[in-house]
Amino acid sequence: DQQVKQNSPSLSVQEGRISILNCDYTNSMFDYFLWYKKYPAEGPTFLISISSIKDKNEDGRFTVFLNKSAKHLSLHIVPSQPGDSAVYFCAARRGVDDKIIFGKGTRLHILP
Amino acid sequence: DAGITQSPRHKVTETGTPVTLRCHQTENHRYMYWYRQDPGHGLRLIHYSYGVKDTDKGEVSDGYSVSRSKTEDFLLTLESATSSQTSVYFCAISETPSEQPQHFGDGTRLSIL
Repeated sequence: DQQVKQNSPSLSVQEGRISILNCDYTNSMFDYFLWYKKYPAEGPTFLISISSIKDKNEDGRFTVFLNKSAKHLSLHIVPSQPGDSAVYFCAARRGVDDKIIFGKGTRLHILP
Repeated sequence: DAGITQSPRHKVTETGTPVTLRCHQTENHRYMYWYRQDPGHGLRLIHYSYGVKDTDKGEVSDGYSVSRSKTEDFLLTLESATSSQTSVYFCAISETPSEQPQHFGDGTRLSIL
């Protein structure tokens, strides 16, 4: 049973507009959430994270929002740039000694 | 960039043959992980290691074994490769299990014919 769900396999956004990637989770014990970005033929790289005690974390163009009551988080990219075209993985962890669990990923295409 | 090297980067082999993938790190991190990435499944943990000679199973460990005789090397072995093990394999490292994020290697693309 999938505990971290990314229900949109792909998303296309015009350059300069906002990209919103969504992630849902089922385990209320998750206390830390991460987003990774992956380019073809490369390994995933960390993008941004958020602790369950917060509802927002911002790093430059990237903002992650957490809605614990809805078990939902989203990654906002503003403004979207061509280099943002990649696969984005949502991930979650249940505790400090637990392994992280990844979603299936969403492929983001930034259109010129 | 974290010093993680995976070898080989690409491999094609036949069903039933043994295959070993290597992950080498220069960061002296205690924890090392093997994941596989498949379309429609994302990244799934195969095995991980929390020290030399200390390993444990992940989510999809059947058909795989691992060994870690040195801090810097973590080997993944497919004892008798099957077509279902065709995948892209990623190694990752972290200093502690709570240290996030993990740092990933660039992957090994393995095709089992």
